[in-house]
Amino acid sequence: GENVEQHPSTLSVQEGDSAVIKCTYSDSASNYFPWYKQELGKRPQLIIDIRSNVGEKKDQRIAVTLNKTAKHFSLHITETQPEDSAVYFCAARAGGTSYGKLTFGQGTILTVHP
Amino acid sequence: NAGVMQNPRHLVRRRGQEARLRCSPMKGHSHVYWYRQLPEEGLKFMVYLQKENIIDESGMPKERFSAEFPKEGPSILRIQQVVRGDSAAYFCASSPNGGNEQFFGPGTRLTVL
Repeated sequence: GENVEQHPSTLSVQEGDSAVIKCTYSDSASNYFPWYKQELGKRPQLIIDIRSNVGEKKDQRIAVTLNKTAKHFSLHITETQPEDSAVYFCAARAGGTSYGKLTFGQGTILTVHP
Repeated sequence: NAGVMQNPRHLVRRRGQEARLRCSPMKGHSHVYWYRQLPEEGLKFMVYLQKENIIDESGMPKERFSAEFPKEGPSILRIQQVVRGDSAAYFCASSPNGGNEQFFGPGTRLTVL
């Protein structure tokens, strides 16, 4: 089955700096890669996603890149703000299925210091 | 348009009791996924259901756990004879068509004493 590894497990940055979180996946047939933000005690919320036929996607301060050959994808947050502090999860949708079964990474605790 | 609802939000059970977790998907959604999140870990897929059908239960423990999504009413995740290791946050997500889009509920935090 699919295996997703996420690094780093914790990330501390100063406000205004950039933050990068990286994930690798094992199933070359995986075709959808969402990123979720989870604040303490809250539900995971989709912040950006990318499909396997696209190499990069950007939404304001957030961008995701995908390297299918290397089987890794990354989340980039620019001009970080204290409210970006949360746990971020990457995920991959298993290939070979017609439904959206997701395999999640272990999470990255991002702390943005004012 | 109400989002995905889960109840209860917090559930405390003693070892050996039963836990029943409910998930009401978004209006118009007939596909439900259940995930479990152990403390300080990522979410792990448990089961995928469509109305009245279990499509994929490959992430469900073989014993004590069951899930259903009846024609009427919420999806139910049932854990019999709970043990301390069942303590976790259980999230459901609903989808309009079982595809990529999944909208998560607020979760049920189960504590087994």
